[in-house]
Amino acid sequence: DAKTTQPPSMDCAEGRAANLPCNHSTISGNEYVYWYRQIHSQGPQYIIHGLKNNETNEMASLIITEDRKSSTLILPHATLRDTAVYYCTRIAGGTSYGKLTFGQGTILTVHP
Amino acid sequence: NAGVTQTPKFQVLKTGQSMTLQCAQDMNHEYMSWYRQDPGMGLRLIHYSVGAGITDQGEVPNGYNVSRSTTEDFPLRLLSAAPSQTSVYFCASSEADTEAFFGQGTRLTVV
Repeated sequence: DAKTTQPPSMDCAEGRAANLPCNHSTISGNEYVYWYRQIHSQGPQYIIHGLKNNETNEMASLIITEDRKSSTLILPHATLRDTAVYYCTRIAGGTSYGKLTFGQGTILTVHP
Repeated sequence: NAGVTQTPKFQVLKTGQSMTLQCAQDMNHEYMSWYRQDPGMGLRLIHYSVGAGITDQGEVPNGYNVSRSTTEDFPLRLLSAAPSQTSVYFCASSEADTEAFFGQGTRLTVV
């Protein structure tokens, strides 16, 4: 019973925006959406998170639909170094105790 | 600031041997957890801890023990290694409602 659903793979041209979708149709009102990425089997790296408002930081933007059933991670100007597996996960505020549930993620390949 | 440090980076064990994977964090985080990642798969939670002296099981706890005697350290013990435990192991730490920080992993092969 997947808590989030992501496409298995996506391609993007270097310099273009990469838009990675995530479906979380059963999300509860107190659950945040978190995005991580994993490069070359290194430890996962935090990217961004949000509850209901769109968020932006130095790495990416997160767009959450008004009904909160899906979200999109946007890498505005993808580089070759952004080639990685991207994981979307959901965490209940105040009760996660540091536990994360990862699906298989989206393999993003950035091409020259 | 070292973050989350895992040792060793690589390990080969024979079936039946025991060993301890070490994890230390220097951020004074309350929560720590262990995950395993099999080829082509996402991470699966083995055990987690919400503070010194408090641990609980995750999704795949069988064959592993943990303890948390200090805030900084959260070792993972393999009691009797089996080939099915060949995997990459990641340790993570966090505070409540904040991002998790992961170590660089321990690549374990059981022959």
